Amino acid sequence: DAKTTQPTSMDCAEGRAANLPCNHSTISGNEYVYWYRQIHSQGPQYIIHGLKNNETNEMASLIITEDRKSSTLILPHATLRDTAVYYCIVRVGLRGGSEKLVFGKGTKLTVNP
Amino acid sequence: NAGVTQTPKFRVLKTGQSMTLLCAQDMNHEYMYWYRQDPGMGLRLIHYSVGEGTTAKGEVPDGYNVSRLKKQNFLLGLESAAPSQTSVYFCASRYAPDRQGPTDTQYFGPGTRLTVL
Repeated sequence: DAKTTQPTSMDCAEGRAANLPCNHSTISGNEYVYWYRQIHSQGPQYIIHGLKNNETNEMASLIITEDRKSSTLILPHATLRDTAVYYCIVRVGLRGGSEKLVFGKGTKLTVNP
Repeated sequence: NAGVTQTPKFRVLKTGQSMTLLCAQDMNHEYMYWYRQDPGMGLRLIHYSVGEGTTAKGEVPDGYNVSRLKKQNFLLGLESAAPSQTSVYFCASRYAPDRQGPTDTQYFGPGTRLTVL
Protein backbone atom coordinates (compact mmCIF):
# COMPACT_ATOMS: atom_id res chain seq x y z
CA ASP A 1 0.00 0.00 0.00
CA ALA A 2 1.13 3.51 -0.71
CA LYS A 3 2.33 5.22 2.43
CA THR A 4 2.26 8.85 3.38
CA THR A 5 4.78 10.89 5.35
CA GLN A 6 3.80 14.00 7.26
CA PRO A 7 5.49 16.22 9.84
CA THR A 8 4.57 15.23 13.36
CA SER A 9 3.46 18.70 14.37
CA MET A 10 3.05 22.25 13.10
CA ASP A 11 2.05 25.60 14.54
CA CYS A 12 0.15 28.39 12.86
CA ALA A 13 -1.00 31.84 13.94
CA GLU A 14 -4.73 32.49 13.95
CA GLY A 15 -5.84 34.20 10.75
CA ARG A 16 -2.83 33.04 8.79
CA ALA A 17 -2.72 30.32 6.15
CA ALA A 18 -1.76 26.87 7.35
CA ASN A 19 0.17 24.80 4.81
CA LEU A 20 0.39 21.12 5.66
CA PRO A 21 2.74 19.04 3.50
CA CYS A 22 2.50 15.34 2.69
CA ASN A 23 4.80 12.99 0.81
CA HIS A 24 3.30 9.99 -0.99
CA SER A 25 6.11 9.00 -3.34
CA THR A 26 4.82 5.41 -3.86
CA ILE A 27 1.31 6.39 -4.85
CA SER A 28 -0.13 4.59 -7.88
CA GLY A 29 -1.66 6.33 -10.85
CA ASN A 30 -5.26 5.59 -9.87
CA GLU A 31 -4.96 6.21 -6.13
CA TYR A 32 -6.62 9.30 -4.76
CA VAL A 33 -5.17 11.51 -2.02
CA TYR A 34 -7.63 12.33 0.75
CA TRP A 35 -7.31 14.66 3.69
CA TYR A 36 -9.22 14.15 6.91
CA ARG A 37 -8.86 15.77 10.30
CA GLN A 38 -9.62 14.56 13.80
CA ILE A 39 -10.50 16.91 16.62
CA HIS A 40 -10.22 15.77 20.25
CA SER A 41 -10.36 12.06 19.30
CA GLN A 42 -13.72 12.53 17.61
CA GLY A 43 -14.45 10.66 14.41
CA PRO A 44 -12.33 11.77 11.44
CA GLN A 45 -13.87 14.53 9.35
CA TYR A 46 -13.47 14.69 5.60
CA ILE A 47 -11.78 17.81 4.23
CA ILE A 48 -10.90 17.38 0.58
CA HIS A 49 -9.52 14.91 -1.94
CA GLY A 50 -7.86 14.88 -5.36
CA LEU A 51 -6.25 12.71 -8.00
CA LYS A 52 -3.92 14.95 -9.99
CA ASN A 53 -5.53 18.36 -10.32
CA ASN A 54 -5.56 21.02 -7.65
CA GLU A 55 -8.83 21.16 -5.76
CA THR A 56 -10.62 23.77 -3.66
CA ASN A 57 -13.73 23.67 -1.53
CA GLU A 58 -15.23 25.73 1.27
CA MET A 59 -12.82 24.28 3.83
CA ALA A 60 -9.46 24.11 2.10
CA SER A 61 -7.34 23.85 -1.02
CA LEU A 62 -5.30 20.86 -2.12
CA ILE A 63 -2.21 21.31 -4.23
CA ILE A 64 -0.81 18.13 -5.82
CA THR A 65 2.58 18.18 -7.52
CA GLU A 66 2.74 17.24 -11.17
CA ASP A 67 4.56 13.98 -10.41
CA ARG A 68 1.93 13.24 -7.70
CA LYS A 69 4.62 12.37 -5.17
CA SER A 70 3.56 15.06 -2.74
CA SER A 71 0.72 17.37 -1.89
CA THR A 72 -0.08 20.33 0.36
CA LEU A 73 -3.28 21.05 2.21
CA ILE A 74 -3.92 24.76 2.62
CA LEU A 75 -6.27 26.21 5.23
CA PRO A 76 -6.45 29.82 4.00
CA HIS A 77 -7.40 31.53 7.26
CA ALA A 78 -6.77 29.23 10.19
CA THR A 79 -8.94 29.60 13.31
CA LEU A 80 -8.56 28.14 16.79
CA ARG A 81 -11.18 25.54 15.86
CA ASP A 82 -8.86 24.20 13.17
CA THR A 83 -6.55 22.80 15.86
CA ALA A 84 -6.61 19.08 15.13
CA VAL A 85 -4.65 16.13 13.78
CA TYR A 86 -4.63 16.24 9.99
CA TYR A 87 -4.29 13.00 8.06
CA CYS A 88 -3.06 12.72 4.51
CA ILE A 89 -4.49 9.46 3.24
CA VAL A 90 -4.15 7.34 0.15
CA ARG A 91 -7.35 5.69 -0.94
CA VAL A 92 -6.62 2.08 -1.94
CA GLY A 93 -9.10 -0.07 -3.87
CA LEU A 94 -10.36 -3.35 -2.41
CA ARG A 95 -12.16 -6.33 -3.92
CA GLY A 96 -15.83 -5.79 -4.56
CA GLY A 97 -15.45 -2.16 -5.49
CA SER A 98 -14.83 -0.85 -2.00
CA GLU A 99 -11.72 0.86 -0.73
CA LYS A 100 -9.72 1.42 2.42
CA LEU A 101 -8.25 4.63 3.69
CA VAL A 102 -4.61 4.06 4.63
CA PHE A 103 -3.96 6.33 7.59
CA GLY A 104 -0.54 7.47 8.76
CA LYS A 105 0.15 9.18 12.07
CA GLY A 106 -0.92 12.60 10.82
CA THR A 107 0.21 16.13 11.65
CA LYS A 108 -0.86 17.78 14.87
CA LEU A 109 -1.72 21.34 13.87
CA THR A 110 -1.95 23.87 16.67
CA VAL A 111 -3.45 27.24 15.82
CA ASN A 112 -2.26 29.88 18.28
CA PRO A 113 -4.08 33.11 19.18
CA ASN B 1 -30.55 12.96 9.87
CA ALA B 2 -28.25 11.62 12.59
CA GLY B 3 -25.51 10.41 10.23
CA VAL B 4 -23.41 7.62 11.70
CA THR B 5 -24.06 6.66 15.32
CA GLN B 6 -22.24 4.17 17.53
CA THR B 7 -23.36 2.33 20.65
CA PRO B 8 -22.01 2.28 23.32
CA LYS B 9 -19.71 5.28 23.71
CA PHE B 10 -17.60 3.67 26.42
CA ARG B 11 -17.17 0.14 27.71
CA VAL B 12 -14.87 -1.68 30.11
CA LEU B 13 -14.51 -5.45 29.74
CA LYS B 14 -12.59 -8.14 31.54
CA THR B 15 -10.37 -10.47 29.57
CA GLY B 16 -12.44 -13.25 28.03
CA GLN B 17 -15.74 -11.40 28.04
CA SER B 18 -17.68 -10.85 24.86
CA MET B 19 -19.50 -7.83 23.52
CA THR B 20 -21.02 -6.34 20.40
CA LEU B 21 -20.54 -2.81 19.12
CA LEU B 22 -23.37 -1.38 17.06
CA CYS B 23 -23.01 1.04 14.19
CA ALA B 24 -26.07 2.58 12.57
CA GLN B 25 -26.36 4.97 9.64
CA ASP B 26 -29.44 6.70 8.25
CA MET B 27 -27.95 7.89 4.96
CA ASN B 28 -28.84 4.75 2.98
CA HIS B 29 -25.14 4.06 2.40
CA GLU B 30 -24.23 0.74 0.82
CA TYR B 31 -20.71 0.46 2.25
CA MET B 32 -19.79 0.30 5.92
CA TYR B 33 -16.46 -0.06 7.74
CA TRP B 34 -15.01 -0.76 11.16
CA TYR B 35 -11.65 0.77 12.15
CA ARG B 36 -9.62 0.78 15.31
CA GLN B 37 -7.34 3.55 16.51
CA ASP B 38 -4.58 2.99 19.03
CA PRO B 39 -2.88 5.85 20.91
CA GLY B 40 -0.82 8.11 18.66
CA MET B 41 -1.73 6.11 15.59
CA GLY B 42 -3.94 6.47 12.57
CA LEU B 43 -6.94 4.27 11.96
CA ARG B 44 -6.63 0.68 10.78
CA LEU B 45 -9.36 -1.20 8.93
CA ILE B 46 -10.79 -4.24 10.75
CA HIS B 47 -13.69 -5.40 8.54
CA TYR B 48 -15.91 -3.85 5.94
CA SER B 49 -19.14 -4.52 4.07
CA VAL B 50 -20.20 -3.60 0.56
CA GLY B 51 -23.85 -4.40 1.11
CA GLU B 52 -26.47 -6.10 3.23
CA GLY B 53 -25.47 -9.67 3.97
CA THR B 54 -21.84 -9.24 2.86
CA THR B 55 -18.67 -8.75 4.90
CA ALA B 56 -14.95 -8.88 4.20
CA LYS B 57 -11.69 -8.73 6.16
CA GLY B 58 -9.57 -5.63 6.42
CA GLU B 59 -6.01 -5.20 7.71
CA VAL B 60 -6.48 -6.37 11.30
CA PRO B 61 -9.48 -8.79 11.43
CA ASP B 62 -8.19 -11.32 13.96
CA GLY B 63 -10.27 -11.55 17.12
CA TYR B 64 -13.29 -9.79 15.60
CA ASN B 65 -16.41 -10.86 13.76
CA VAL B 66 -18.96 -8.72 11.96
CA SER B 67 -22.47 -8.97 10.61
CA ARG B 68 -24.58 -6.83 8.27
CA LEU B 69 -28.09 -8.22 8.52
CA LYS B 70 -29.70 -4.87 7.74
CA LYS B 71 -28.39 -2.23 5.37
CA GLN B 72 -28.35 0.45 8.03
CA ASN B 73 -26.54 -1.55 10.73
CA PHE B 74 -23.04 -3.01 10.97
CA LEU B 75 -22.16 -4.98 14.10
CA LEU B 76 -18.66 -5.65 15.40
CA GLY B 77 -18.28 -8.55 17.81
CA LEU B 78 -15.53 -9.53 20.19
CA GLU B 79 -16.05 -13.16 21.23
CA SER B 80 -13.27 -13.28 23.83
CA ALA B 81 -11.83 -9.88 24.58
CA ALA B 82 -8.09 -9.45 25.10
CA PRO B 83 -6.12 -6.47 26.50
CA SER B 84 -4.64 -5.96 23.01
CA GLN B 85 -8.13 -5.01 21.85
CA THR B 86 -8.16 -1.96 24.07
CA SER B 87 -8.68 0.80 21.55
CA VAL B 88 -11.08 3.37 20.14
CA TYR B 89 -13.34 1.87 17.50
CA PHE B 90 -14.75 3.94 14.66
CA CYS B 91 -17.44 3.03 12.22
CA ALA B 92 -17.78 4.67 8.82
CA SER B 93 -20.12 4.49 5.86
CA ARG B 94 -20.32 5.73 2.29
CA TYR B 95 -22.30 5.38 -0.92
CA ALA B 96 -21.18 2.82 -3.45
CA PRO B 97 -18.70 4.50 -5.82
CA ASP B 98 -19.83 6.21 -8.98
CA ARG B 99 -19.10 3.96 -11.90
CA GLN B 100 -17.38 6.88 -13.59
CA GLY B 101 -14.90 7.32 -10.78
CA PRO B 102 -14.67 7.24 -7.00
CA THR B 103 -15.87 10.58 -5.79
CA ASP B 104 -17.64 9.96 -2.53
CA THR B 105 -16.14 9.88 0.92
CA GLN B 106 -16.45 7.93 4.14
CA TYR B 107 -18.45 9.47 6.97
CA PHE B 108 -17.31 8.51 10.44
CA GLY B 109 -19.16 7.97 13.69
CA PRO B 110 -18.09 9.44 17.06
CA GLY B 111 -16.27 6.31 18.22
CA THR B 112 -16.50 3.73 21.01
CA ARG B 113 -13.76 3.72 23.63
CA LEU B 114 -13.15 0.14 24.78
CA THR B 115 -10.88 -0.92 27.63
CA VAL B 116 -10.11 -4.58 28.26
CA LEU B 117 -8.64 -5.32 31.68
